[in-house]
Amino acid sequence: DTAVSQTPKYLVTQMGNDKSIKCEQNLGHDTMYWYKQDSKKFLKIMFSYNNKELIINETVPNRFSPKSPDKAHLNLHINSLELGDSAVYFCASSQDDRGRDEQFFGPGTRLTVL
Amino acid sequence: AQSVTQLGSHVSVSEGALVLLRCNYSSSVPPYLFWYVQYPNQGLQLLLKYTSAATLVKGINGFEAEFKKSETSFHLTKPSAHMSDAAEYFCAVSDRAGGYNKLIFGAGTRLAVHP
Repeated sequence: DTAVSQTPKYLVTQMGNDKSIKCEQNLGHDTMYWYKQDSKKFLKIMFSYNNKELIINETVPNRFSPKSPDKAHLNLHINSLELGDSAVYFCASSQDDRGRDEQFFGPGTRLTVL
Repeated sequence: AQSVTQLGSHVSVSEGALVLLRCNYSSSVPPYLFWYVQYPNQGLQLLLKYTSAATLVKGINGFEAEFKKSETSFHLTKPSAHMSDAAEYFCAVSDRAGGYNKLIFGAGTRLAVHP
């Protein structure tokens, strides 16, 4: 039974398009995250939500908009896609947001912008 | 601000040899430290974590890490490498500045295991 799932796994699209990535966790966690992993495998946090409230918003272009309809879901919408958005996007969740707890990661969504 | 440095982007060992992956951190508060492993085309999986309890932490798959405050290090070791250990390994520190947690990752170390 998948703990953190993401759809789609692969996403290939043209520059300028708008796309969404969905994330769901069935762990009952309060906190969810989006990370971006670039081509050199470097991982950087983008956003974090706790109980549907945005608590971390790193320096991310406002073309990226997260949405959390409920505690179990955190979706990522990207407008006007650019070549530099090509990366693997990981969703994660943890029980709380105080830093002691393990973060559980989804399998990732590989976004390719042509 | 918290940061993590992983020395060696690539490490290659023989099967059965000792694995040592190095991680140094910088933190203005007592750190929470993590090691994650990423197998090809998969998400990250926790190997072990340090949250101010015992300084020698044992994790899954025979890995362990020792927190050394004086050296600001949290190196990952495994006595005997297995072919299945080939993966990307990430050290991370929990940045609790501002009251909210976020993980700050090192650049990763790719471990290759050869027969």
